[in-house]
Amino acid sequence: DTAVSQTPKYLVTQMGNDKSIKCEQNLGHDTMYWYKQDSKKFLKIMFSYNNKELIINETVPNRFSPKSPDKAHLNLHINSLELGDSAVYFCASSQDVPEETQYFGPGTRLLVL
Amino acid sequence: QQQVKQSPQSLIVQKGGISIINCAYENTAFDYFPWYQQFPGKGPALLIAIRPDVSEKKEGRFTISFNKSAKQFSLHIMDSQPGDSATYFCAASSVNRGSTLGRLYFGRGTQLTVWP
Repeated sequence: DTAVSQTPKYLVTQMGNDKSIKCEQNLGHDTMYWYKQDSKKFLKIMFSYNNKELIINETVPNRFSPKSPDKAHLNLHINSLELGDSAVYFCASSQDVPEETQYFGPGTRLLVL
Repeated sequence: QQQVKQSPQSLIVQKGGISIINCAYENTAFDYFPWYQQFPGKGPALLIAIRPDVSEKKEGRFTISFNKSAKQFSLHIMDSQPGDSATYFCAASSVNRGSTLGRLYFGRGTQLTVWP
């Protein structure tokens, strides 16, 4: 069973479109995250939710809106896609204890044309 | 501002050699230092982690060395193998994290290539 799953795996779209990426974890974790990894492999945190509550909201354009319908799901909606949004987006989850391991999903490769 | 600085950006090592990746931090509130390993096309995965109450932690061929006074820590991969070729990220966080629950500050990553 996949611990953290993301759909879709690949997403190719035109500039200006709106798209969503879904994430689900079956680990029973309380905290979920979205990261963006650019072409240079830099991992940048975007958002973090704990028990459906937004905890971390980095300096991310408000075109990006996370939604957590329940503790096991954290979706990312992106409006008006731009070329610079092309990246790999990773969802992760962790338990709410000190030194918790973050478990990453397989990533969604977004290409904006 | 990069909270955790990692070097080198890329590293090429011959099979059987020692790979060394270094990280430095400024925030003295950091008290948990994990390393994540990422293979091409996969998400990062925890490799090994250390708390600052010890100066070294070893798991198999992987060792973290920690220097609290210098605010530096490093990953050593002994007897490096082609299967170790991956991107390695150091990270840091604070157990007493207040409002930034679970926040990991990642280094920029080191792409390791081990030649057979």
